[in-house]
Amino acid sequence: EVQLVESGGGLVQPGGSLRLSCVASGFTFGSFEMNWVRQAPGKGLEWVSYISSGGSTIYYADSVKGRFTISRDNAKNSLNLQMNSLRVEDTAVYYCARGWQRLDYWGQGTLVTVSS
Amino acid sequence: EIVMTQSPATLSVSPGERATLSCRASQSVSSKLGWYQQKLGQAPRLLIYDASTRATGLPARFSGSGSGTEFTLTISSLQSEDFAVYYCQQYNNWPRTFGQGTKVEI
Repeated sequence: EVQLVESGGGLVQPGGSLRLSCVASGFTFGSFEMNWVRQAPGKGLEWVSYISSGGSTIYYADSVKGRFTISRDNAKNSLNLQMNSLRVEDTAVYYCARGWQRLDYWGQGTLVTVSS
Repeated sequence: EIVMTQSPATLSVSPGERATLSCRASQSVSSKLGWYQQKLGQAPRLLIYDASTRATGLPARFSGSGSGTEFTLTISSLQSEDFAVYYCQQYNNWPRTFGQGTKVEI
């Protein structure tokens, strides 16, 4: 069974940093592309970042470019999102999701709250 | 950036009725479109990909159609478990973009 489990969310002040992780199981993690998608409270879905299976190709949404860094450790089946210079508008549930095109499996999400 | 526009924002239907949800892209996305269902407090779930292919295990009452800029998700006979928010997403271009969602309610 495919499982994606996010962690690392919490309350942080504006300008602060946070590192999210997503641990995968039930599939060959190193063979699949991965993404981060977020959802602000009561709002819709926003794609945040993508990383290829080997980590050589990375894309970011303009809203996070230069502040967030996606990475992966295929030996540990883990996906990461380093979030710096956080803003109030980054407050959201952050999901990791598998796929290059369609997103076929999603984690349950981790809540990030940016507030003073 | 490709803008995805869903309509209506809210669809009020009764169990057993047919529901038709629309999604329009600001430019052609070919057939590179997915539909997702999200229930309250849950993660999204992939329903349809490549505009018309049902995800594994999805009941046949769900169907997708369209290509280019106009897409439709149809639920032929709504069941109680289908009341949720539905999102379309294009994956023809970067950045990937989602529609704002259609809430299907009783």
